[in-house]
Amino acid sequence: GEDVEQSLFLSVREGDSSVINCTYTDSSSTYLYWYKQEPGAGLQLLTYIFSNMDMKQDQRLTVLLNKKDKHLSLRIADTQTGDSAIYFCAEGRETGTASKLTFGTGTRLQVTL
Amino acid sequence: DAGVTQSPTHLIKTRGQQVTLRCSPKSGHDTVSWYQQALGQGPQFIFQYYEEEERQRGNFPDRFSGHQFPNYSSELNVNALLLGDSALYLCASSRGTLQFFGPGTRLTVL
Repeated sequence: GEDVEQSLFLSVREGDSSVINCTYTDSSSTYLYWYKQEPGAGLQLLTYIFSNMDMKQDQRLTVLLNKKDKHLSLRIADTQTGDSAIYFCAEGRETGTASKLTFGTGTRLQVTL
Repeated sequence: DAGVTQSPTHLIKTRGQQVTLRCSPKSGHDTVSWYQQALGQGPQFIFQYYEEEERQRGNFPDRFSGHQFPNYSSELNVNALLLGDSALYLCASSRGTLQFFGPGTRLTVL
């Protein structure tokens, strides 16, 4: 089945680390992605990880992938108020020459002072 | 270098009408995908265009159709609008794997 699940809400204090979790169902996914959406805006690609990797670090962002449990997480170090947004996990499923993204329902991150 | 652009930004239609949304991909990108994002939900894949042909389609009725032009820009057409078609319509462009999204068109059906 095609299902990507995320918790709905996360609140953290400024300066703390945030960890946003996601589970997916399709073991044939090639890439897994994290997108950020600010109010009234489109989606910004934050980072991605190839399915044969366990971890990827990109400045304040760390992505961990547990293929056995089909679990993906995004850690944001030193969270800032500008990080407040909705974060979507997505799996990329390629069929033949096409590729579509299947998104979770998003996790709203609230950063408090 | 402009990113993905979409027009119009907002649109209000009534039930039964038809609507056309437009998307221009990032420079160098040749593939356009369309997604529908209902309020409070994640985006849902509508279809993807490459070389002016639809190459994959999500679970959307035939009322949703599209087109890709030789310059890689794309249109999404929705006929016989329903109240449930109210959503943010997102266009994503790619060349290869990574999809980059535009700001979206907010469609309201009254």
